[in-house]
Order: sequence, then C-alpha cells, then structure tokens
Amino acid sequence: EVQLVESGGGLVQPGGSLRLSCAASGFTFSSYEMNWVRQAPGKGLEWVSYISSSGSTIYYADSVKGRFTISRDNAKNSLYLQMNSLRAEDTAVYYCARGLYGDYAGFDYWGQGTLVTVSS
Amino acid sequence: EIVLTQSPGTLSLSPGERATLSCRASQSVSSSYLAWYQQKPGQAPRLLIYGASSRATGIPDRFSGSGSGTDFTLTISRLEPEDFAVYYCQQYGSSPRWTFGQGTKVEIK
Repeated sequence: EVQLVESGGGLVQPGGSLRLSCAASGFTFSSYEMNWVRQAPGKGLEWVSYISSSGSTIYYADSVKGRFTISRDNAKNSLYLQMNSLRAEDTAVYYCARGLYGDYAGFDYWGQGTLVTVSS
Repeated sequence: EIVLTQSPGTLSLSPGERATLSCRASQSVSSSYLAWYQQKPGQAPRLLIYGASSRATGIPDRFSGSGSGTDFTLTISRLEPEDFAVYYCQQYGSSPRWTFGQGTKVEIK
C-alpha cells in the first residue's frame, strides 16, 4: 500500500525556518517524481515545488522561490522541504504528493498533510 | 501563466442528479496534462481523472472527464451522498509548472 506521511509542521514566527519531511512507503520511491502542494485555511490548492526522481530537476512556485528548498533522499525514501524566511502567507497545510508515472501529469497519492502556522 | 477558471463556484444538487463541472483555461492545455481531484473536508485531495478523460485507479465509472484545448468538463452521472465535496482541476505547463483551478463545491440541495 502506498503511504506518504508528512511531519515537521508547527508554529513558527515570521522570518523563522521549518523543515518538513515526507516518509514514503509501499512503492519504489526512487522511480517517482514528487511534489509539495499547500492549502491555506479555507482556500484552494497551490502547487509549491517539484523534484524529479533523481533530484536533478527542481521547480518552485514564484511565491516561494529563493526561500524554500526541496530535496530528497532516495536511500531513506524521504522527501523534504526546507522553508526559510517564513511569512504569514505561508500558513497552510502542506501535502507531499506523488507524480503520476509516465506521460500524464497529475498527483496520484497524497499524504495527510502537516499544518504550518506562521504567526508571532 | 495559464489560469484555470472553474464554474460554477457552487453547485447545489440532490443525490441521484447529474453534476456538470467546467474548467476553462486561459490558454490551450494538452489533454495529457489536465487532471481532476476531489477533496472532502479535513482530507487530502484524491485524483479522479488524468489525461482529461482517464479515470484513476478505483474511481467509480459515474465520474467522467472530457474536453480539449481550453474547455474541460467533469461529469458525475448520478450523485451519491459521498460525492458532495470540492472539486479541483489542475494543469501542467510552463512557469508555474502546475496550477489548480479555484474549485467547485458540490453541495446537497
């Protein structure tokens, strides 16, 4: 069974840092592209960042570029999101999501999410 | 940047009725890169449709997707009680790589 379990969320002050983790199981992690998607309270979905299966290709949304860093450790079946210079508008539930394998685009498995609250 | 506009914002229907949800793109989108998701309160999104019309694993056949270019549709043929939720379309393109529509809420009338 495919499982994605996020951790690392919490309350942080503006300007602070947080590192999110996503532990993957039930599939060959090193074969799949991965993403972070967030959802502010009561709002819609916003894609945050992408990393290829090998980690060689990375993309970010403009809203987090220069502040967030995505990475992965295929030996540990883990995905990470290092978040620096956090702002109030970064408050959201953060989901890790697996990319579809093949020529189609979409996210076929999602974690349960971890809440990040940026507030003084 | 491709903007996805979903309509209506809210759809009020009764169980057993047909639901038709629209997703319009500001520029042409490859059908291979258009997906639909369902999200219930307190839950993660669930992939329903990918490639504009292919159902994801385990998705009932009352869900169907269609469309091409700039106009895409998600149809739920007969609403079941568990189908009342928020639905999002998503596209893959250039910067930003992935964008979502703002969502359509399907509520019980």
